[in-house]
Amino acid sequence: ETGVTQTPRHLVMGMTNKKSLKCEQHLGHNAMYWYKQSAKKPLELMFVYNFKEQTENNSVPSRFSPECPNSSHLFLHLHTLQPEDSALYLCASSQDLVGETQYFGPGTRLLVL
Amino acid sequence: AQSVTQLDSQVPVFEEAPVELRCNYSSSVSVYLFWYVQYPNQGLQLLLKYLSGSTLVKGINGFEAEFNKSQTSFHLRKPSVHISDTAEYFCAVSDRGNYGGSQGNLIFGKGTKLSVKP
Repeated sequence: ETGVTQTPRHLVMGMTNKKSLKCEQHLGHNAMYWYKQSAKKPLELMFVYNFKEQTENNSVPSRFSPECPNSSHLFLHLHTLQPEDSALYLCASSQDLVGETQYFGPGTRLLVL
Repeated sequence: AQSVTQLDSQVPVFEEAPVELRCNYSSSVSVYLFWYVQYPNQGLQLLLKYLSGSTLVKGINGFEAEFNKSQTSFHLRKPSVHISDTAEYFCAVSDRGNYGGSQGNLIFGKGTKLSVKP
């Protein structure tokens, strides 16, 4: 498989559930990102990892917990979410940070009931 | 900090007509500029980017954009659109990563939905 893949593509969860989103990049990149895409709002950067180290946490609530076990994999662990967390969650990767093209996965469409 | 304004949320256009999608940015430092496209049920894909050099940047699928520093704009153009260009287009800006520990995170506009009609 090539590029950036994300699983699952769709997820419905209750506010008391715990779930995880998975992202995998097959591009040999060093940096990985989580974004939130909500209707009528700009993409919001959530987290950045560079060489497996978190370099950015954009004031994200603690109910979102990222994990980057290696440069190819990125997880977003979800617990006790709110209905306003329903959105498309996009993962991206890039070779390095500044000025580099980011390659996006297709996203996970999350619905919190 | 940077910000991006995409002046049109929706742009309807007929097939084979020219199109311009407008993007203005605000920044106190020098920037890099990007246009990404998102087709339905897909992630974003880079169309083109400006890092330095010629202010006219050519990208994929016949798109081009011109960096205008004095007007802080980076408008996207295509001389003749196709039905397959129907998508949402995002302008993004980043700093150059050499200011106070910045790592050049992308700041996106709200997007412009281009609808090409036959």
